Amino acid sequence: DQQVKQNSPSLSVQEGRISILNCDYTNSMFDYFLWYKKYPAEGPTFLISISSIKDKNEDGRFTVFLNKSAKHLSLHIVPSQPGDSAVYFCAASAWGSSNTGKLIFGQGTTLQVKP
Amino acid sequence: DAMVIQNPRYQVTQFGKPVTLSCSQTLNHNVMYWYQQKSSQAPKLLFHYYDKDFNNEADTPDNFQSRRPNTSFCFLDIRSPGLGDAAMYLCATSSRGQGRRQFFGPGTRLTVL
Repeated sequence: DQQVKQNSPSLSVQEGRISILNCDYTNSMFDYFLWYKKYPAEGPTFLISISSIKDKNEDGRFTVFLNKSAKHLSLHIVPSQPGDSAVYFCAASAWGSSNTGKLIFGQGTTLQVKP
Repeated sequence: DAMVIQNPRYQVTQFGKPVTLSCSQTLNHNVMYWYQQKSSQAPKLLFHYYDKDFNNEADTPDNFQSRRPNTSFCFLDIRSPGLGDAAMYLCATSSRGQGRRQFFGPGTRLTVL
């Protein structure tokens, strides 16, 4: 049972345009969401996060939107740059009794930004 | 720079031959995680340590064990690797001060022959 899903394995956009990466989740206990970026031969690096008490969080060119009723979040990159080409993972967390913030990841979306 | 280091980056082992993967961190984080990621799949949590407390995921095979001798180091032991254990193994750390953000190492690519 996959609790976090990224249904688009890949996305290709032109430099300067908007990239929109989508993520759906099924567990209503998730209360914190993160996006990670991964380049080949490197580990995932944190990009941006959002708490369930918010519906939007912005950091420079990156904005994450959360729609709790739809159990859907999206990452917007504007404007897209060739250096943004990477695999993007969505992750979700529910603050359980262990308080360790365990993350559940989606399968990832490979973004290609063409010059 | 503070970081998470994984050694080796590439590991080749034979079917059934025990193998140990290593993770070290200079972040002084109290939580360390091991993930398995197979091609085009989501990273899957195997287990984690909260300080010295070991937390195993329910579906992690018994073939996978872990040791954390001190705050800085954590090891993943695969007792009898099978062909299905070939994957990228990612180590990550976190601490209360970082919220739920996890810091990842570069991973170890395990090949089983």
